Amino acid sequence: GQQLNQSPQSMFIQEGEDVSMNCTSSSIFNTWLWYKQEPGEGPVLLIALYKAGELTSNGRLTAQFGITRKDSFLNISASIPSDVGIYFCAGQGASYGKLTFGQGTILTVHP
Amino acid sequence: GAGVSQSPSNKVTEKGKDVELRCDPISGHTALYWYRQSLGQGLEFLIYFQGNSAPDKSGLPSDRFSAERTGGSVSTLTIQRTQQEDSAVYLCASSLGVGLDKQGFFGPGTRLTVL
Repeated sequence: GQQLNQSPQSMFIQEGEDVSMNCTSSSIFNTWLWYKQEPGEGPVLLIALYKAGELTSNGRLTAQFGITRKDSFLNISASIPSDVGIYFCAGQGASYGKLTFGQGTILTVHP
Repeated sequence: GAGVSQSPSNKVTEKGKDVELRCDPISGHTALYWYRQSLGQGLEFLIYFQGNSAPDKSGLPSDRFSAERTGGSVSTLTIQRTQQEDSAVYLCASSLGVGLDKQGFFGPGTRLTVL
């Protein structure tokens, strides 16, 4: 089945630094989604990408849908302490109701 | 409330017992999803319902797992004869259309521990 490899597994950064994380897939996706999850809560959708090459921003977050449709990255600029959490990529293939998730990137921001 | 709610928030059970997990989706959302999240892992798709269509059960790991959605609203995920490897957080989500990018939201999850 489809698998997503997300890296890095964890990041420890200083407030104000920029962050980058990415996902690669063994197969093509039609949609890439990026989520953030905080303790005790479900994931919250940050950005959705629908076209190969698409670059989309949401505040300090920027994400891109790779040209090959097998990868995506998420950048967070000028990190702040409330950015702490686990970030997940997810790919949607032919079945709109089914997402394949990456393993997550744990982000820690030191003030 | 305005969001997806799940109950119970925590469930501890003994190996071999059956458990039922409940999900109340956002009113008006036609699609409902169940995912499982093991410790330190990403989410694993289990099943989704869309309107009156037959559910996509392709993610259910074994025949011990089943789910129902009554009246197009509330859903129940049932795990029979629980095993220790079933321990995980079970997350429900709902969306306005098919696809979690269609105003989809997750609930807070039910943490299941099988002793």
